[in-house]
Amino acid sequence: EDQVTQSPEALRLQEGESSSLNCSYTVSGLRGLFWYRQDPGKGPEFLFTLYSAGEEKEKERLKATLTKKESFLHITAPKPEDSATYLCAVRETDSWGKFQFGAGTQVVVTP
Amino acid sequence: DTAVSQTPKYLVTQMGNDKSIKCEQNLGHDTMYWYKQDSKKFLKIMFSYNNKELIINETVPNRFSPKSPDKAHLNLHINSLELGDSAVYFCASSLNRVSEAFFGQGTRLTVV
Repeated sequence: EDQVTQSPEALRLQEGESSSLNCSYTVSGLRGLFWYRQDPGKGPEFLFTLYSAGEEKEKERLKATLTKKESFLHITAPKPEDSATYLCAVRETDSWGKFQFGAGTQVVVTP
Repeated sequence: DTAVSQTPKYLVTQMGNDKSIKCEQNLGHDTMYWYKQDSKKFLKIMFSYNNKELIINETVPNRFSPKSPDKAHLNLHINSLELGDSAVYFCASSLNRVSEAFFGQGTRLTVV
């Protein structure tokens, strides 16, 4: 059973068109939810960590929020350089540090 | 300065060969990982070491053997390579088992 599900699989946006990505998770105890950005041919780049429901983090045009069952990554007024695959990962309590990744959302922002 | 570096970046080899991938981190982190990213871009953990001790060993064929000579290095040796081993392998490190992980640039392994 998938523990981390991301939607949509792909998203095409016009420059300036804000949108949200979803990451839903089913774990018995959350020890952190992590957002990463991955560009083609590169390793995932860390964006945010969220630990508890109600927490929010922001960085430039990105804002991540967390509830008890899901997290959203909001992209405000995106630019073409925001094009990437966004990955969500969760860490459970007693998981010895293991990250469980979702399949990612591929975002393309056109000028 | 590259925080987590892997070598080589590309590896093309024939079936049946043995190969190694090296990883080094200069962040002073205690925990290191190997992840495999398949053709569908799904990242799956293979191994994790904490202070040179193996703490996660997922269902990975015995042909894969990690080795951590010290806290800053985690290498991956693969015996008798198979076509299905073709993937991108990522090394990562985190300060501890709670904090975020930082990834290397990946090693694209192609078995022909």
